[in-house]
Amino acid sequence: GENVEQHPSTLSVQEGDSAVIKCTYSDSASNYFPWYKQELGKRPQLIIDIRSNVGEKKDQRIAVTLNKTAKHFSLHITETQPEDSAVYFCAARMPGTYKYIFGTGTRLKVLA
Amino acid sequence: DTAVSQTPKYLVTQMGNDKSIKCEQNLGHDTMYWYKQDSKKFLKIMFSYNNKELIINETVPNRFSPKSPDKAHLNLHINSLELGDSAVYFCASSRGLAGNQETQYFGPGTRLLVL
Repeated sequence: GENVEQHPSTLSVQEGDSAVIKCTYSDSASNYFPWYKQELGKRPQLIIDIRSNVGEKKDQRIAVTLNKTAKHFSLHITETQPEDSAVYFCAARMPGTYKYIFGTGTRLKVLA
Repeated sequence: DTAVSQTPKYLVTQMGNDKSIKCEQNLGHDTMYWYKQDSKKFLKIMFSYNNKELIINETVPNRFSPKSPDKAHLNLHINSLELGDSAVYFCASSRGLAGNQETQYFGPGTRLLVL
């Protein structure tokens, strides 16, 4: 069935280092891939997204890459800061059913 | 000026009770969603309405019933609450369903605790 796998489940990095979170989706028809950041006790907030007709998108320290053939997409955060610490979720949208399938989340800790 | 709002923010209730959670968006969006986030932080779609029409109805017990009185509101009624219903319930909205309209914006969440 529809599935999005997300790795790793936890990630600790030193401040200033880069962090990479990877997701794999099952439905090749998926066409939209948002990434959300959720701080403790808060709502998920969109940080970046990519559509299936684009291979890479960048917004300051955040970038997302998409490999449609392999059905992989990844979030890259450079020059990490303590305020980047949060749970990050990837998601894939199924165009036929309009559903979003979310990954299981990655808890990122940036150590000062 | 809050884009997507939910009430109540916290809800503590006894097993067997019936409760409702309300969601409102002032973004002019056509599509609204309900998600359940369990204790392991897993986000799962429950329902979605587009222009007041139900378009997503996941495998959810029929004790859960959504209602969309207009495009700006999507409420969730839960009958006969069970311990396993304890979770955070997020409402979300998007401009629409078509390309470039599907970005979702989440409400602050309703933390439901069933005792």
